[in-house]
Amino acid sequence: DAKTTQPNSMESNEEEPVHLPCNHSTISGTDYIHWYRQLPSQGPEYVIHGLTSNVNNRMASLAIAEDRKSSTLILHRATLRDAAVYYCIPLGRTPLVFGKGTRLSVIA
Amino acid sequence: DSGVTQTPKHLITATGQRVTLRCSPRSGDLSVYWYQQSLDQGLQFLIHYYNGEERAKGNILERFSAQQFPDLHSELNLSSLELGDSALYFCASSVAGRSNTEAFFGQGTRLTVV
Repeated sequence: DAKTTQPNSMESNEEEPVHLPCNHSTISGTDYIHWYRQLPSQGPEYVIHGLTSNVNNRMASLAIAEDRKSSTLILHRATLRDAAVYYCIPLGRTPLVFGKGTRLSVIA
Repeated sequence: DSGVTQTPKHLITATGQRVTLRCSPRSGDLSVYWYQQSLDQGLQFLIHYYNGEERAKGNILERFSAQQFPDLHSELNLSSLELGDSALYFCASSVAGRSNTEAFFGQGTRLTVV
């Protein structure tokens, strides 16, 4: 499994954009980059995934570096509901292996 | 609502006992995964089943076992329980065990061993 490096914690103001970085320098060419988040007292929740191109969905955008050694999850306008632990997971074959993730705090 | 149902939501039992946790995957999902989350260990993968067959094992103790039934629901059996088994147990399902499909997690079963 590819190793990932994420900041332990980040803070954002409400309604501001948030950029959550992830380094995965040992990723293999066929690994998809998945992002999940876990809100307090809930199960993990799928956010987005991609392979090479940038991806957008209703929750977030995923920007993938050209060399695929890093990616950034972008929340366009953080809300209090976005306070959670965000996990970046390179995935070549299942199952998902969770690291420590980034704890995002959102300030009203 | 992820569509994955786990029962019971809470379970309190004594050391040495045996419990069964149940997971109903999303309709149409063939893969079921079990995870354990304790305060000091984070989310740990236990076991993966695909269409009734075991596909991968993680850090699952020998005291723990699982199965997936023909109707695709899964059960995780925990026996000879110890205080350290107290944790949240999550089940996830996906359409297939492929790297380009997302997994959907249930709300978990909180097990407390006293």
